[in-house]
Amino acid sequence: DIQMTQSPLFLSASVGGTVTFSCRASQSISSYLNWYQQIPGKSPRLLIYAATSLHSGVPSRFSGSGSGTDFTLTISSLQPEDFATYYCQQGYTRPITFGQGSRLEI
Amino acid sequence: VQLVESGGGLIQPGRSLTLSCEASGLTFDDYAMHWVRQAPGKGLEWVSGVSWNSGTRAYADSVRGRFTISRDNAKNSVYLQMNSLRPEDTALYFCAKGASKVYSIYYFMDVWGKGTTVTVSS
Repeated sequence: DIQMTQSPLFLSASVGGTVTFSCRASQSISSYLNWYQQIPGKSPRLLIYAATSLHSGVPSRFSGSGSGTDFTLTISSLQPEDFATYYCQQGYTRPITFGQGSRLEI
Repeated sequence: VQLVESGGGLIQPGRSLTLSCEASGLTFDDYAMHWVRQAPGKGLEWVSGVSWNSGTRAYADSVRGRFTISRDNAKNSVYLQMNSLRPEDTALYFCAKGASKVYSIYYFMDVWGKGTTVTVSS
């Protein structure tokens, strides 16, 4: 199975700031990397697919980069509603695997 | 697009349960469908996925041989039959819409239901 490792697992930031999360795959997954946001008590929400493509309706302050094994999610101009947990997920092969999640706190 | 899960509940270890997910607002048979679970206070774990025509069904190692995914395109529904349930299967089970039929079923999950809770305990 492909292991997905996220870092950091916890991050504190301020409204208006910029944060970056990393996700590393245990083997190359080309660009088959997705990012999800989960607010406590809510369902996950797709933010970025195919490493860099912004899903419909997602604000442009979210961006993704990377390919192969190393990927990043950047959130700029942080808004109060951005404080949540972020998961990466590989869609390269089965079984689909998620990272452990990175929690963004105020 | 809306996904509504049902069928969760409290069940004893070793028993069986079937979850259902009904979709609306989409051409259901154009898309793969998935089940993803989240144990209390834990992260996301993919459980199973099925292609648009049921030609591909995939499972996590933790459930293979115990769980079976199926779909009924006429009813816009996907199901998860869970046998030999264990306490470690306790979780909130989400139904999620996958990518369209032109892509791999593993590509991404872009619409999620609110989930149905399964608690396995004696």
